[in-house]
Amino acid sequence: ELQLLESGGGLVKPGGSLRLSCAASGFTFSVNAMTWVRQAPGKGLEWVSAISGSVSNTYYADSVKGRFTISRDNSKDTLYLQINNLRAEDTAVYYCVQGAHLPYWGQGTLVTVSS
Amino acid sequence: EVVMTQSPLSLPVTLGQPASISCRSSQSLVHSDGNTYLIWFQQRPGQSPRRLIHKVSKRDSGVPDRFSGSGSGTDFTLKISRVEAEDVGVYYCMQGTHWPYTFGQGTKLEIK
Repeated sequence: ELQLLESGGGLVKPGGSLRLSCAASGFTFSVNAMTWVRQAPGKGLEWVSAISGSVSNTYYADSVKGRFTISRDNSKDTLYLQINNLRAEDTAVYYCVQGAHLPYWGQGTLVTVSS
Repeated sequence: EVVMTQSPLSLPVTLGQPASISCRSSQSLVHSDGNTYLIWFQQRPGQSPRRLIHKVSKRDSGVPDRFSGSGSGTDFTLKISRVEAEDVGVYYCMQGTHWPYTFGQGTKLEIK
């Protein structure tokens, strides 16, 4: 069974950093692109970043470029999102999603940015 | 970036009646490979989103056939032939043709 388990969320002060992780299982992780999507409380979905499979090309939304870094460790079947210089508007549930066209979603991890 | 515009943003529907959601893109979603990567998602209250349809009209496994997608170029539609109680939630379109990918604002479907 395919599983995506996010972790690393929590309460962070503005200007702080956080690294989100997503442990994948039930499919061949290394050949799949992976994506992060976020959803602010009571708001819509926002595409954040994606990374290709083995070649690891990366893509970012304009709103996060320069502060967010997506990466993956294919030996650990794990996806990461490094978030720096956190702002209040980064407060959201962050979803790890399989593929570029998002067939399977994790349950999400909540990041709260507040002083 | 490509702007995705959905309408309506709120959709009250009587049980058993049809429903339709429009999604328009600011530029053509035809990819250089010939495919059109327009995708529809459903998010029920308190749940993660679920993909319903990809490549405009291809239903995902387990999605009831009362859901259908159509359209081309910049103009797309999600239709529900007969709304059921379990269809309550927010529906999003997303374009997966041009980086960065982008979502529509969402359409909230509720039972009248």
